[in-house]
Amino acid sequence: SQQGEEDPQALSIQEGENATMNCSYKTSINNLQWYRQNSGRGLVHLILIRSNEREKHSGRLRVTLDTSKKSSSLLITASRAADTASYFCATRHSGGSNYKLTFGKGTLLTVNP
Amino acid sequence: GAGVSQSPSNKVTEKGKDVELRCDPISGHTALYWYRQSLGQGLEFLIYFQGNSAPDKSGLPSDRFSAERTGGSVSTLTIQRTQQEDSAVYLCASSLAPTNQPQHFGDGTRLSIL
Repeated sequence: SQQGEEDPQALSIQEGENATMNCSYKTSINNLQWYRQNSGRGLVHLILIRSNEREKHSGRLRVTLDTSKKSSSLLITASRAADTASYFCATRHSGGSNYKLTFGKGTLLTVNP
Repeated sequence: GAGVSQSPSNKVTEKGKDVELRCDPISGHTALYWYRQSLGQGLEFLIYFQGNSAPDKSGLPSDRFSAERTGGSVSTLTIQRTQQEDSAVYLCASSLAPTNQPQHFGDGTRLSIL
C-alpha cells in the first residue's frame, strides 16, 4: 500500500497566493522528503525533514512534520506560475529497508498567472 | 556529468521484444535506484543497488525484469518479452548513501509497448 498519501490531488490557485499540500503516512519514518516534478521531467528534491524535526524552511518553502499524526505539510508562499508542477512526498522508513523512499501519488499544482 | 543521465529518453517497441534501459548516475554516488511511474501515479520502487550489489530486488514486477550495475557506476534495466502493461516512465535516481541523503533523479525513459 502507498506509504505517503498527498491531498489534495489537484490544486489550482492564482499567482501570489499560498499553496498548501498535505501528506499522510502509515509507519514510523526516518525522514520525509518533498519532491517536485515538472511535466515530462524527473523529480527534483526540494526539502528533507528528519523525524526529530518539526518545521523546516527553504526560501519560499515551509515544511512541517507531526509524527504523532503521521502527517506533513508543504507550504509554498507567494506562488509563481513557474511553481506549476506535481509535488510528491516520500518517506524513508526507520528500521529495515531504510534505504528506499516510498512515494505518494502526488498533488498537481497549477498556478495561474 | 552534472546530473543523472538516462537513455534512451523515449522507446517505442512491439510487444514481445526485449528492451534495455540505461542509467548513468552522478559520479561518486554509491546508491542507485530504479522506479517505475505510470500515468498519473506516484513512483513504484523496483530495485536498489549499493555499489554493484542489489540487496533488494523485491520491487521487480516479474522475472522478465532484471537489472545490473557494473563498476559501481552505470546500471541497465532489462525487460524481456515486453507486455503492454510495461508501458510507463522508468526513472533512475542516485544518492551519496542510502540514509539521510536526497535522491537525484534522471528525466526517465518513456517506454511505450505497442
